[in-house]
Amino acid sequence: GAVVSQHPSRVICKSGTSVKIECRSLDFQATTMFWYRQFPKQSLMLMATSNEGSKATYEQGVEKDKFLINHASLTLSTLTVTSAHPEDSSFYICSARKVTPDGYGYTFGSGTRLTVV
Amino acid sequence: DAKTTQPNSMESNEEEPVHLPCNHSTISGTDYIHWYRQLPSQGPEYVIHGLTSNVNNRMASLAIAEDRKSSTLILHRATLRDAAVYYCILRDWEYGNKLVFGAGTILRVKS
Repeated sequence: GAVVSQHPSRVICKSGTSVKIECRSLDFQATTMFWYRQFPKQSLMLMATSNEGSKATYEQGVEKDKFLINHASLTLSTLTVTSAHPEDSSFYICSARKVTPDGYGYTFGSGTRLTVV
Repeated sequence: DAKTTQPNSMESNEEEPVHLPCNHSTISGTDYIHWYRQLPSQGPEYVIHGLTSNVNNRMASLAIAEDRKSSTLILHRATLRDAAVYYCILRDWEYGNKLVFGAGTILRVKS
């Protein structure tokens, strides 16, 4: 159990356009999801916490107007990279949090490789 | 956020046990210790987690020091598929139960 699907796995877009990435929890409900980005040979950097039915909470230094997060249902969160530029090229990963007997469990999507040209 | 310290890299021979250490000297009483691993171009995969007692599952064992300031992930028989970056993370309820990743340990497995 606890499967998270992330789509698309790869996307190439032109500079100045917007790209939407979807994160779905397939077999559980997730009131909270997380979005990370990862540059080559670096660790995951937490960008924001996505809360179902309310505004996302962004980590310090992450532009909320640039990275729009919507969590409209208990199984879907989306990250939209607006007006993308080459420096936004990165590996984006989502995680869905599930309530467990000892607190929480976290399942990650397979990631989205974004290339902005 | 509570911090962890791990060696940058480790090497193991196939079929031998691997002990991956993690220091977390500032851990608080309610912080859970989580381990994830990541293969290239994939999302992290859950390995194991624990609070105070040692834990075992089909993938690995987690040995937690009595003072909880350190822990060790044990892979009992390393295979080539275990080559990955291993992350030791503290789940801190005071900071919203988020998983904040450190640098991790690159595990190389030799055949």
